[in-house]
Amino acid sequence: QKEVEQNSGPLSVPEGAIASLNCTYSDRGSQSFFWYRQYSGKSPELIMFIYSNGDKEDGRFTAQLNKASQYVSLLIRDSQPSDSATYLCAAGGVLSNSGYALNFGKGTSLLVTP
Amino acid sequence: DGGITQSPKYLFRKEGQNVTLSCEQNLNHDAMYWYRQDPGQGLRLIYYSQIVNDFQKGDIAEGYSVSREKKESFPLTVTSAQKNPTAFYLCASSDRGSRNQPQHFGDGTRLSIL
Repeated sequence: QKEVEQNSGPLSVPEGAIASLNCTYSDRGSQSFFWYRQYSGKSPELIMFIYSNGDKEDGRFTAQLNKASQYVSLLIRDSQPSDSATYLCAAGGVLSNSGYALNFGKGTSLLVTP
Repeated sequence: DGGITQSPKYLFRKEGQNVTLSCEQNLNHDAMYWYRQDPGQGLRLIYYSQIVNDFQKGDIAEGYSVSREKKESFPLTVTSAQKNPTAFYLCASSDRGSRNQPQHFGDGTRLSIL
């Protein structure tokens, strides 16, 4: 079973702080990783993707990937109350017929308090 | 604007009834996917299609059926054999087979039992 594990939270951080969200994956064959934000009652929205070891920055968001440790993280700097949502980590995996799909974690709930 | 349109937004199913959820995309994506999300749970793959006239079962295909007669459309039928259909259903699409391409989601359909 190809699993993606996330702490369900809630992770509570004060406004302006750095929120750190973590994810581990079991399939060593995974080569691409995605972070989605999902507000309550809404569909997931892509925030960032990362393919190579190291850091990738986009505005207030930084994705970090360590393939040796099978670990992905998302840092949100200067957290805002509008960042309060569930964050889904997904790892790209090859399907049995050579197709491609994403394995999703259950998500981490983030609460940014004013 | 390019995107994925799911309809209806809310759907109610009676006992023994089949219902069909619509998913249309104008992103010119080859691959399309159906996921189910239960409260507090991650996304579970129901069916996926890499090209027109071809589709494959995902992790939880029992009680569901799909068709892919057009590139733009990938409807999902929830049959009476699905005994626990209440969930949030999400349709997604991506460029075909590319493991580095993210999936983009529609707004979802909430299905409940009457």
